[in-house]
Amino acid sequence: AQKVTQAQTEISVVEKEDVTLDCVYETRDTTYYLFWYKQPPSGELVFLIRRNSFDEQNEISGRYSWNFQKSTSSFNFTITASQVVDSAVYFCALDSGGYQKVTFGTGTKLQVIP
Amino acid sequence: EAGVAQSPRYKIIEKRQSVAFWCNPISGHATLYWYQQILGQGPKLLIQFQNNGVVDDSQLPKDRFSAERLKGVDSTLKIQPAKLEDSAVYLCASSYQSTGELFFGEGSRLTVL
Repeated sequence: AQKVTQAQTEISVVEKEDVTLDCVYETRDTTYYLFWYKQPPSGELVFLIRRNSFDEQNEISGRYSWNFQKSTSSFNFTITASQVVDSAVYFCALDSGGYQKVTFGTGTKLQVIP
Repeated sequence: EAGVAQSPRYKIIEKRQSVAFWCNPISGHATLYWYQQILGQGPKLLIQFQNNGVVDDSQLPKDRFSAERLKGVDSTLKIQPAKLEDSAVYLCASSYQSTGELFFGEGSRLTVL
């Protein structure tokens, strides 16, 4: 069985602060894919990143960075110098076995206060 | 490139009535998904199609929910009869097989009174 846990339900930060969103996953498969999606108030889920289980390199894209650690089954997401436009619900997701059956976590609502 | 299209955006019905949602995926995307997202929760997979065949419908309440994807393109999700607990946003997503990235529509918000 596959499971994704996002323990942080809501986070509030002041603009320009850094914030890290936690994601812990469970799977018995050795091949799997991890994702982060953003759901702004408009409601449409937007893909942010996909990592496979064989690539533990951290990734940076502008103000966004991701830290993948297999030893702790975590795939955390950091936003540097947060902006009001970053306010959204962020979902971590897992495709275990690579069958494109994606399981989502419960999401973390991020509020960036100007 | 056109995104995933869904309709209607909003629907309000009384319990025990029926409702249908339509989805047109991105052209060329073989895999189509229907997710249910209850307020405050993450999306929950209802059914996954590969072309016009069902890959996974293990979480679809088959006594009241049905879905089809005729000709392997657009899809319809039906609920009959609706219950109060079916109030949710129904999200359609599609993906190109090799990448795994899901492209979502704007969703259809259902309110059951």
